[in-house]
Amino acid sequence: DGGITQSPKYLFRKEGQNVTLSCEQNLNHDAMYWYRQDPGQGLRLIYYSQIVNDFQKGDIAEGYSVSREKKESFPLTVTSAQKNPTAFYLCASSKTISGANVLTFGAGSRLTVL
Amino acid sequence: GQNIDQPTEMTATEGAIVQINCTYQTSGFNGLFWYQQHAGEAPTFLSYNVLDGLEEKGRFSSFLSRSKGYSYLLLKELQMKDSASYLCAVMDSNYQLIWGAGTKLIIKP
Repeated sequence: DGGITQSPKYLFRKEGQNVTLSCEQNLNHDAMYWYRQDPGQGLRLIYYSQIVNDFQKGDIAEGYSVSREKKESFPLTVTSAQKNPTAFYLCASSKTISGANVLTFGAGSRLTVL
Repeated sequence: GQNIDQPTEMTATEGAIVQINCTYQTSGFNGLFWYQQHAGEAPTFLSYNVLDGLEEKGRFSSFLSRSKGYSYLLLKELQMKDSASYLCAVMDSNYQLIWGAGTKLIIKP
């Protein structure tokens, strides 16, 4: 079955450490996204990519970095510069950016900074 | 600024009908989406409206009025498994999705 796999599901990090969240899709989708979800707030876009080797900052990119070396993979690094990294992180993909752009989401990664 | 408003929480009874409202103010409009998200899980797509009117899909229906900046999701014959958060999202003129905070729906027996 096609889908999006995120790992790890739960991650604990000490302050000052960088962590990388994995996101892999086998849907042959061109576009991939990283969102952050916090209680009481809507999903906020961190980064997105429409094509391999290209990506754009979303609304809250500071303290995060991404790469898109393969169509299937879009890992997110949460750096020590991110002031408040504890959150639920969702990766998503879609065929294109425009139009009836239905997103398929991964199951999420919950990051807790100790 | 861009804004999506939906109630924080609603409670309904199993077998009943519930309507979840969403109002929006965005820079342009290229469609409105509803997603369902069970606690700790991935959001899943429910519906997409780009023209005014009602779209029916089984027990779920979604309505849009572009002139009023308003949509609702109607859930009929509620089941316990419908307990979840329902997310409203609008695609703006730049094809960016603006998300509401979600409505947590609690179903009671």
